[in-house]
Amino acid sequence: GESVGLHLPTLSVQEGDNSIINCAYSNSASDYFIWYKQESGKGPQFIIDIRSNMDKRQGQRVTVLLNKTVKHLSLQIAATQPGDSAVYFCAEKGPGRTGGGNKLTFGTGTQLKVEL
Amino acid sequence: GVTQSPTHLIKTRGQQVTLRCSSQSGHNTVSWYQQALGQGPQFIFQYYEEEERQRGNFPDRFSGHQFPNYSSELNVNALLLGDSALYLCASSSIPGTGVKETQYFGPGTRLLVL
Repeated sequence: GESVGLHLPTLSVQEGDNSIINCAYSNSASDYFIWYKQESGKGPQFIIDIRSNMDKRQGQRVTVLLNKTVKHLSLQIAATQPGDSAVYFCAEKGPGRTGGGNKLTFGTGTQLKVEL
Repeated sequence: GVTQSPTHLIKTRGQQVTLRCSSQSGHNTVSWYQQALGQGPQFIFQYYEEEERQRGNFPDRFSGHQFPNYSSELNVNALLLGDSALYLCASSSIPGTGVKETQYFGPGTRLLVL
């Protein structure tokens, strides 16, 4: 479940098109998932989250889909804009622990490039 | 939001460093992550009620503290070149109680070890 990889996958889309970013998570017991956007030189910014008892959640221009059968998460961005260009990370949280703790395990990340 | 200081820091091998984080209003849990260039954040540890609640795969050179006002410090001793990274702090609500656990990140501290 640790983030690996020195070469980020890249997704290039035309402005106005829809983007789909995929993520495979590692722990079948994870109960909470988050998508973050990270621009160069900044910290990760929360986009949208979903709990394991749901399979779809919509926000403003974004939709997250969760498929627990194959441990797959996707982020759909509608009408992609130049400001959406960034690295996108999915993160998973394991089930509650005695004594607390809710560490996030991050995926590799995907670089989204929006072409004008 | 979450604030961190300093924004950038340069140290030499063997030195010690302290990074600081102020959590978002209403949040009582602070987590620290290390992000190497081109990689996702790696969990270091998490503090709640001034105690370390969970720890990732980091050596004892990495230690932390949480204060009564929920702010936190990350200390790294005997710095190695490989400690060069972006150090991120995230705050959230009470862990494991069903309260929304979204972690909100600060801008990070960029540490360079020479």
